[in-house]
Amino acid sequence: DAGVIQSPRHEVTEMGQEVTLRCKPISGHNSLFWYRQTMMRGLELLIYFNNNVPIDDSGMPEDRFSAKMPNASFSTLKIQPSEPRDSAVYFCASSLGSGTYGYTFGSGTRLTVV
Amino acid sequence: DAKTTQPPSMDCAEGRAANLPCNHSTISGNEYVYWYRQIHSQGPQYIIHGLKNNETNEMASLIITEDRKSSTLILPHATLRDTAVYYCTGQGAQKLVFGQGTRLTINP
Repeated sequence: DAGVIQSPRHEVTEMGQEVTLRCKPISGHNSLFWYRQTMMRGLELLIYFNNNVPIDDSGMPEDRFSAKMPNASFSTLKIQPSEPRDSAVYFCASSLGSGTYGYTFGSGTRLTVV
Repeated sequence: DAKTTQPPSMDCAEGRAANLPCNHSTISGNEYVYWYRQIHSQGPQYIIHGLKNNETNEMASLIITEDRKSSTLILPHATLRDTAVYYCTGQGAQKLVFGQGTRLTINP
């Protein structure tokens, strides 16, 4: 298995532009999580899906952030408009069921908003 | 979700056992204790988890106190590649919430 695949690996964009981050979970995993990591705040859970349905989005910072999971093999995290404070590494993770056997994380997308 | 407390940093000599403590006094009865590590800027990597009993796998051992208020992750023979940030967390309601972790440095 190729693991959790995230794209792009690096993204540099100008303030005000729309940014879309992509994630392909491990085949057969039915839970998907989006995290954001910064030096100041560490790893923060933004949102998670179970069977493609958003279960908890209480970590999404504001309305500029949105996430979708149109099918079991694909999810997007969109920021519109982007701001410099959104600069961070965004990780996607997937798990089987309740995650009893752990989450598998992708390699992350490093976002820089200038 | 349990609040966890870990020392911010630790050092260990290569080849020795690294013992990483974690306090999780607010953990509920059905929350598992999970340990992950993050090497440099990679995504976190699952290490081990447990509920009440001690656990061992090919990577590490997990010792959970009888009252479940604390645990210790043991890397039996630390190598330079074990240098990473180690996170202890309780998993409740299907959510994994990370604290600040312990930065473990393995010295040659």
